[in-house]
Amino acid sequence: QSVLTQPPSVSAAPGQKVTISCSGSSSDIGNNYVSWYQLLPGTAPKLLIYDNNKRPSGIPDRFSGSKSGTSATLAITGLQTGDEADYYCGTWDSSLSAGGIFGGGTKLTVL
Amino acid sequence: QVQLQQWGAGLLKPSETLSLSCAVSGGAFSAYFWSWVRQSPGKGLEWIAEINHNGVTNYNPSLKSRLTASVDTSKRQFSLNLTSVIASDTGIYYCARSVGYFDYWGQGTLVTVSS
Repeated sequence: QSVLTQPPSVSAAPGQKVTISCSGSSSDIGNNYVSWYQLLPGTAPKLLIYDNNKRPSGIPDRFSGSKSGTSATLAITGLQTGDEADYYCGTWDSSLSAGGIFGGGTKLTVL
Repeated sequence: QVQLQQWGAGLLKPSETLSLSCAVSGGAFSAYFWSWVRQSPGKGLEWIAEINHNGVTNYNPSLKSRLTASVDTSKRQFSLNLTSVIASDTGIYYCARSVGYFDYWGQGTLVTVSS
């Protein structure tokens, strides 16, 4: 199964905006919804975005998602030190080897 | 509120079988697929398998030959067996609810494979 492509790391100062990209193909992102997860050390993954751009209850609107073609983007505005975490995109593979797939993860550092 | 509580052995030797279970409270158990996801040291998230209340399964092709997922709907539980474990199977294993994405997660089980 393919792994979606994310930058290994991004960084920005508190209060600033950061974007994290997620690149796939027509058999995954191109034909399926994208979700985003936040991983903090010692805690279970938290769903931030589903269906490309929807936020679950309790997720602040500082987090937003978008998708275009075979790529997706997570944007975080008004960065806080508590946002420092690993972020993963996820979707489904519609090819013969169908199943869930994730990106390699992006480490966000809030400088 | 949906809650997932998981358990299983945390220390295994190479060639042994990893066995994990997950109990679901709250929500409609039979309406969803239920997944297993792992995070290996220095690696990202990896989807392992999913199962529904009828026992319909989908497996990660790279692990399929070693995987068996099962479900006990009467207990609202689902389980995972991974045979012939190797060092690279070390990681944190999570159970999660699948709805096209993973919205509820278990607390995670650290599994270490070491001789």
